[in-house]
Amino acid sequence: GENVEQHPSTLSVQEGDSAVIKCTYSDSASNYFPWYKQELGKGPQLIIDIRSNVGEKKDQRIAVTLNKTAKHFSLHITETQPEDSAVYFCAASITSRQLTFGSGTQLTVLP
Amino acid sequence: DTGVSQDPRHKITKRGQNVTFRCDPISEHNRLYWYRQTLGQGPEFLTYFQNEAQLEKSRLLSDRFSAERPKGSFSTLEIQRTEQGDSAMYLCASSLQGQGASGYTFGSGTRLTVV
Repeated sequence: GENVEQHPSTLSVQEGDSAVIKCTYSDSASNYFPWYKQELGKGPQLIIDIRSNVGEKKDQRIAVTLNKTAKHFSLHITETQPEDSAVYFCAASITSRQLTFGSGTQLTVLP
Repeated sequence: DTGVSQDPRHKITKRGQNVTFRCDPISEHNRLYWYRQTLGQGPEFLTYFQNEAQLEKSRLLSDRFSAERPKGSFSTLEIQRTEQGDSAMYLCASSLQGQGASGYTFGSGTRLTVV
């Protein structure tokens, strides 16, 4: 089955700086790659996603890039703010029904 | 609609007891999913329903676990003879058929502690 690895496990940045989180996946059949933000005591919330026919997608301060050949994808957050502090998860999907998640990155934005 | 609702939010039980969790999906969503999340890890897929039919089950769903969605609306997840290793956050998500994984909305989860 699919395996998703995520790095780093923790990341601290100064407010205003950029943050980058990277994931690799194992199954070349995966075609959907979402990123979730999880705040304490809450379920994961979708923040951006990308499909395998697209190389890059941007939404305001958040962008995701996908390299299908290398089987890796990355989340980029620019101009970080304290409210960006949370756990971020990448995921990959082969079918439309199951997501395989990475192990998460605890992002801390220091004021 | 206030989103996916899960009840209870927290459950503490003694080892060997049975527990049942409930998930109320977004009303028009016909797909419902259960995931388990242990501390410091990402969610892991357990099972998925389309309407009332349970169509996929993970190997993580041992025979002590059973999930139902009797009328295609709310769902229950029961764990029999709980073990300490069952301690985790149990997340429910729902989506509309056709949206696939991109339409997932997660609930806030039920945190189970087995003592």
